[in-house]
Amino acid sequence: DAKTTQPNSMESNEEEPVHLPCNHSTISGTDYIHWYRQLPSQGPEYVIHGLTSNVNNRMASLAIAEDRKSSTLILHRATLRDAAVYYCILRRNYGGSQGNLIFGKGTKLSVKP
Amino acid sequence: GAGVSQSPSNKVTEKGKDVELRCDPISGHTALYWYRQSLGQGLEFLIYFQGNSAPDKSGLPSDRFSAERTGGSVSTLTIQRTQQEDSAVYLCASSVRTSKHDEQYFGPGTRLTVT
Repeated sequence: DAKTTQPNSMESNEEEPVHLPCNHSTISGTDYIHWYRQLPSQGPEYVIHGLTSNVNNRMASLAIAEDRKSSTLILHRATLRDAAVYYCILRRNYGGSQGNLIFGKGTKLSVKP
Repeated sequence: GAGVSQSPSNKVTEKGKDVELRCDPISGHTALYWYRQSLGQGLEFLIYFQGNSAPDKSGLPSDRFSAERTGGSVSTLTIQRTQQEDSAVYLCASSVRTSKHDEQYFGPGTRLTVT
């Protein structure tokens, strides 16, 4: 799976939007962009994923650049419970790919009240 | 419904002893994964089971580590002759394999401390 680059840490104020960037310049056409987050003392949890089009779900939005070399996870109104490490992961389409996720160091998001 | 469960939640063992960690995946999930997370480090893949296929053991750090999955459900990760560097949180995840999306559901982990 291709490599991703994320900032080590970011800070946000509660109730404000947060934009978490991810660079993946070596992404291939069959790579999906997945985001997971890990709250303190918990296992990771799935947030969102996409291929080419922007995606929205109840947790977040995913904005994918037209050339797919970067993406941004958007939390529309950060809460204290959103403080976590956010991982951007590229997953090759299932066929022929390994099953495991390859986690980088992620972005540690701090949310200030 | 019930999520992925792991037991024990904490395990303290003496160097050189064997330990067994258990994972109960979500019912109906055909794929099961083990990862570990050392203090301040990212998650490291260990082993992956998919249905009745041979497991992908490519992430196991040494032959002291082994895992099995009985009846396509419960999995046990065994570490023989534990060393201090084995101290970590061991995480299990399961998923329903689809052709394009494979959301993994993680358990709370087992914190292993080797003294």
